[in-house]
Amino acid sequence: DAGVIQSPRHEVTEMGQEVTLRCKPISGHNSLFWYRQTMMRGLELLIYFNNNVPIDDSGMPEDRFSAKMPNASFSTLKIQPSEPRDSAVYFCASTYFGGGAEAFFGQGTRLTVV
Amino acid sequence: KNQVEQSPQSLIILEGKNCTLQCNYTVSPFSNLRWYKQDTGRGPVSLTIMTFSENTKSNGRYTATLDADTKQSSLHITASQLSDSASYICVVRPTGGNNRLAFGKGNQVVVIP
Repeated sequence: DAGVIQSPRHEVTEMGQEVTLRCKPISGHNSLFWYRQTMMRGLELLIYFNNNVPIDDSGMPEDRFSAKMPNASFSTLKIQPSEPRDSAVYFCASTYFGGGAEAFFGQGTRLTVV
Repeated sequence: KNQVEQSPQSLIILEGKNCTLQCNYTVSPFSNLRWYKQDTGRGPVSLTIMTFSENTKSNGRYTATLDADTKQSSLHITASQLSDSASYICVVRPTGGNNRLAFGKGNQVVVIP
C-alpha cells in the first residue's frame, strides 16, 4: 500500500477563496482523521470519521470548515472562505479502529492563505 | 491546559551523543502511549508504543520508558545521528471508545556534526 495519500502537497491561495484538501486513506482502515499543525499549537484534531461517519467534529474551528467522507477511500476538507489564519499544515491520518492500532499519517498539505 | 506536555521544547546535540526527551500527561485512564518521529516536511511516524502495564520499549537506538504512577514517559536516543534531527511527539490514547488522541507539541531535536 502507498500509505495515506494527500493532495495537493502545497496550496497557496488568496484570502476569501475556497480551498479543498483531499485524502485517500490506507485500504482497509476504517477511521480517518484530519489534523492541523502549527508551530504555536502543534497537532490539533479537527474531525475524525469511523466507517465514513463523522464522530467528533468539535475541533473544527468554525463554520468555514467542513469535511466529508463519501466512501471508505476518500475524504475532503474544505475551507470557504479561507483566511490568513488558516495557514498551516493539514494532515490526514487513518487507522483501524480498536485497541492500540497505529495512526498512519499522510505527507500533509501546506496551506498558505495570503 | 494541554493534556500532554513535552520538554525540552527544543535541543541541539552533537552527533554521537545521547539525549532524553520528556513527556508528562494527564490523560487517565489511557490505552497506550506512543512516541512519533516527524521529519521536516513529512507526517509523523510511530517509533514506539507502550500500554499501561509496560515500563520500557526499544526500537533500535530509541528507548521509551513509561511510569504510569507519575504519568511520565521519556524517549532516550542513543549515539545520535544526523538523521535523528526531527520533532518527537508524545501521543496518548484514552481508553474507551474515544478515538481522540492527545498530542504533545513535540520536542524539536537538532543533531549537529
